[in-house]
Amino acid sequence: AQSVSQHNHHVILSEAASLELGCNYSYGGTVNLFWYVQYPGQHLQLLLKYFSGDPLVKGIKGFEAEFIKSKFSFNLRKPSVQWSDTAEYFCAVTWDDKIIFGKGTRLHILP
Amino acid sequence: GAVVSQHPSWVICKSGTSVKIECRSLDFQATTMFWYRQFPKQSLMLMATSNEGSKATYEQGVEKDKFLINHASLTLSTLTVTSAHPEDSSFYICSARDPSSSTDTQYFGPGTRLTVL
Repeated sequence: AQSVSQHNHHVILSEAASLELGCNYSYGGTVNLFWYVQYPGQHLQLLLKYFSGDPLVKGIKGFEAEFIKSKFSFNLRKPSVQWSDTAEYFCAVTWDDKIIFGKGTRLHILP
Repeated sequence: GAVVSQHPSWVICKSGTSVKIECRSLDFQATTMFWYRQFPKQSLMLMATSNEGSKATYEQGVEKDKFLINHASLTLSTLTVTSAHPEDSSFYICSARDPSSSTDTQYFGPGTRLTVL
């Protein structure tokens, strides 16, 4: 069965620092990959998604993610974080017509 | 973007009672809805897939007689937690797939926090 690993459970950064959150999935083949964000007190929102084509995907709010098939990875990046990026980030992958989520990474940005 | 609502947003009930949670797609018809459960500091765990007009498909380990799912219309799915116990306290989130958009794009509701006393 498919599984998703997010290596960083809690990340603390200062504003303007660069961000990279790791995400690996276990089963190869054709996959669709997602990053979702959950801001404090709000519901899950789609940050970006990869279905096919260019493995470097641009999302909202300056986020991007790179799909590296050989590494089964889909890491999320942002060159300069802001205090408003404080949230929980979930990587997800489709499997058997369902979406499987990672455990999430709680990101805390210090002003 | 597509909007999914849940009602209630927060419910407290006594042990042994049943609680119904509604999930509605507000501006699109959702043939498929999903129910998740999220424990504190943990990921979303898929409980079941709800298809309009047919029986829900439950994930392994989820008691179908305890978590009753009904998807009677294209805009409404309900989750009923029967004979709730304190261990059922959790955050329940639904999502709906918009068939007019990309196949795997799901829109999430704001969640319902259930506390069983």
